[in-house]
Amino acid sequence: QVQLQESGPGLVEPSQTLSLTCTVSGGSISSGGYYWRWVRQPAGRGLEWIGHISSSGATNYNPSLKGRVTMSLDTSNNQFSLILSSVTAADTAVYYCVREFGVWGQGTPVTVSS
Amino acid sequence: QTVVTQEPSLTVSPGGTVTLTCASSTGAVTTGYYPNWFQQKPGQPPRALIYSTNNRHSWTPARFSGSLLGGKAALTLSGVRPEDEAEYYCLLYYGGGWIFGGGTQLTVL
Repeated sequence: QVQLQESGPGLVEPSQTLSLTCTVSGGSISSGGYYWRWVRQPAGRGLEWIGHISSSGATNYNPSLKGRVTMSLDTSNNQFSLILSSVTAADTAVYYCVREFGVWGQGTPVTVSS
Repeated sequence: QTVVTQEPSLTVSPGGTVTLTCASSTGAVTTGYYPNWFQQKPGQPPRALIYSTNNRHSWTPARFSGSLLGGKAALTLSGVRPEDEAEYYCLLYYGGGWIFGGGTQLTVL
């Protein structure tokens, strides 16, 4: 049974770059034709799709994030990553990594603050 | 800007039936929007319930069903249990991108 686990810094300074990694166990990220996604949720608010990367490396990002997002695969470590640049307080949220939309990690909280 | 709209809150009695809906500001929701439904309880990640309009995941109880109803995506809970009290989110596909609804807080009372 596939499991996902997010990791990364819990605190990022404004204007800096947020980097998160999702480690996948119980299945290979490079097989199965799956989409590996990131979703975020500000405290007390709803969900927002950030984007996804396919098992072949094709990406698609939420236009609202205006080119600040990059996703990548690390097949040697069975991980995929999210990079969000020029962060502001509005990027403070719990970040989830997701396989398709069926299997979710537990989420990692990120606060943008100086 | 496209908006996906859900009822902010609904209340249902134990054992009852309730239908949550999901509307698109672009018009009628069809199967081409691949509606998904999720349940989220406090402090937990969302749990997927329904994908592609009416398909249950292997873990989804049969009392949850998805459909299209009056131009909207719909999630119907039958034989509601106290543990079904949660926030429910829908998700729609828009040509490469996805938009979540604002969520419906379901109270079982």
